[in-house]
Amino acid sequence: AQSVTQLGSHVSVSEGALVLLRCNYSSSVPPYLFWYVQYPNQGLQLLLKYTSAATLVKGINGFEAEFKKSETSFHLTKPSAHMSDAAEYFCAVTNAGGTSYGKLTFGQGTILTVHP
Amino acid sequence: DAGITQSPRHKVTETGTPVTLRCHQTENHRYMYWYRQDPGHGLRLIHYSYGVKDTDKGEVSDGYSVSRSKTEDFLLTLESATSSQTSVYFCATGEHGGYNEQFFGPGTRLTVL
Repeated sequence: AQSVTQLGSHVSVSEGALVLLRCNYSSSVPPYLFWYVQYPNQGLQLLLKYTSAATLVKGINGFEAEFKKSETSFHLTKPSAHMSDAAEYFCAVTNAGGTSYGKLTFGQGTILTVHP
Repeated sequence: DAGITQSPRHKVTETGTPVTLRCHQTENHRYMYWYRQDPGHGLRLIHYSYGVKDTDKGEVSDGYSVSRSKTEDFLLTLESATSSQTSVYFCATGEHGGYNEQFFGPGTRLTVL
């Protein structure tokens, strides 16, 4: 069984400030981890993914995330927020086993608001 | 972007009626998924397919059925719609399972009165 918890359903930052979105996972087998972003009235698009190659993962739009096995965390960060980063962000997990079929378990989502 | 379309994009229906949502892809991806999105729950997997005529249940499959007769089409049917099935439904596709990215369609907003 696997699960994802995103701490904070809403995060508000000022433009130029650090963005930190928290994600903790639970998995009985080695996980693959993903961050997706959803802009209003759109589908989800991939920001970045962890597939065991490197613990620090860089994604699109200046985002990165670090896999910490000891903390079962995969927090998303961006050094300087832009207004265009305002969206809802989802952390997701699937297991690395051959029978996972890529089925994703999502967190509850975090809405990021960026103030001028 | 993967070519994924969903139809209809919006639908209002009444309790007890059957509803079919269609997902169409042009990427020849083997895997297809149906999720529903509800506030506070993120996205939850309803059903998935790992090939033509190969489907299986996800975590919230009660009241839903699926069919996949062609690689490009994945249909989701609400056999008798209930108000609890009011939601936004997303289709996704993936070339491989596991660590590969899933590509999402634009969503269908379904309201059951």
